[in-house]
Amino acid sequence: EPEVTQTPSHQVTQMGQEVILRCVPISNHLYFYWYRQILGQKVEFLVSFYNNEISEKSEIFDDQFSVERPDGSNFTLKIRSTKLEDSAMYFCASSGGGGATDTQYFGPGTRLTVL
Amino acid sequence: AQSVTQLDSQVPVFEEAPVELRCNYSSSVSVYLFWYVQYPNQGLQLLLKYLSGSTLVKGINGFEAEFNKSQTSFHLRKPSVHISDTAEYFCAVTPSEFGNEKLTFGTGTRLTIIP
Repeated sequence: EPEVTQTPSHQVTQMGQEVILRCVPISNHLYFYWYRQILGQKVEFLVSFYNNEISEKSEIFDDQFSVERPDGSNFTLKIRSTKLEDSAMYFCASSGGGGATDTQYFGPGTRLTVL
Repeated sequence: AQSVTQLDSQVPVFEEAPVELRCNYSSSVSVYLFWYVQYPNQGLQLLLKYLSGSTLVKGINGFEAEFNKSQTSFHLRKPSVHISDTAEYFCAVTPSEFGNEKLTFGTGTRLTIIP
């Protein structure tokens, strides 16, 4: 069964450093998402992406964050200058179609630790 | 805006006993409702979803959930649990209007099955 994959599984970085989290969505999917979960808190929506542009973003997704689909298979989340409060599990998801009825398929997550 | 409350952060249950995981939501518009499960070291997997029609929804692995609009609840149930059901369970909602596919999650309930 097709699945969403994410690399790395765990990333440790120093405060102020740039990180890039990578995701390979399911191959025929067109809609892509990033969510995050700070330890002990809710899974929170960050951004949705379709047709090479952001379709919606949350207030968390400020200028330090960016997303890109650099080729036909990868979908990346970049944090330009990491802060301690960026430490969280980051989940990538994809769906075949837009709209609320289409199931979002999630990857296993990348745990980001900012020291 | 929507919000989801999962009152029970942890639920221990004996093997073969029934279980109910509670989910309540708040929304000013109609919503679709979802339950996701996260097994250790894996991504979020859709268990079931309510879009419309019958308020009793059956999902994978013997789980079912009932949508109660008057009580704004979507509780998850299983009549007899197995060790393999040990996981984190997340309730989520999204507005039913087209084009708004952002999922709003609860904080999750960790289900532990006691042999």
